[in-house]
Amino acid sequence: DSGVTQTPKHLITATGQRVTLRCSPRSGDLSVYWYQQSLDQGLQFLIQYYNGEERAKGNILERFSAQQFPDLHSELNLSSLELGDSALYFCASSSGTANTEAFFGQGTRLTVV
Amino acid sequence: TQLLEQSPQFLSIQEGENLTVYCNSSSVFSSLQWYRQEPGEGPVLLVTVVTGGEVKKLKRLTFQFGDARKDSSLHITAAQPGDTGLYLCAGLSSNSGYALNFGKGTSLLVTP
Repeated sequence: DSGVTQTPKHLITATGQRVTLRCSPRSGDLSVYWYQQSLDQGLQFLIQYYNGEERAKGNILERFSAQQFPDLHSELNLSSLELGDSALYFCASSSGTANTEAFFGQGTRLTVV
Repeated sequence: TQLLEQSPQFLSIQEGENLTVYCNSSSVFSSLQWYRQEPGEGPVLLVTVVTGGEVKKLKRLTFQFGDARKDSSLHITAAQPGDTGLYLCAGLSSNSGYALNFGKGTSLLVTP
């Protein structure tokens, strides 16, 4: 058990809909990362938050947004969903300092039909 | 985004064989990490290498960081079926706020 909790584990929704994925980081970790993993693109970095503030942005679409709340949990919002958004979405947490280990949750499998 | 290229993409070997996988970039990293991911699970850290030229050993796994801190290799001696999984390298840089940018991974299958 990594200590990172992601909910829900599975999500099936229709095109055009909006969903929210939730992540509770490991106790004491200030940084949260979101990743999208698909078979053809590998593990793509979306966005990182540190203590409530956005720290780094990767290949995140404009239809996607995220935030980190004062209690350090994070949510990833995906809107106007398309079939191609079907993927595994991982959250990871770390202390956010140099060379630190990232601990990953078990992921949310999103299927858009 | 700093690009990390991993090779080979797929590797299927028999138990007892040795193998090496590579992680290359044109960017310099503060450190580089190797993770292993099993189906249905998130990646789990194997090692962090920080100093150029550094070699770290984890049982039958040997990790090396290139002298220029742009590349790394993972060597597995006498592979076991339990080594099967997706091996991912990730580079960390202060320029990107220490966000982990992963390569696409090497999918390893070790058959008995």
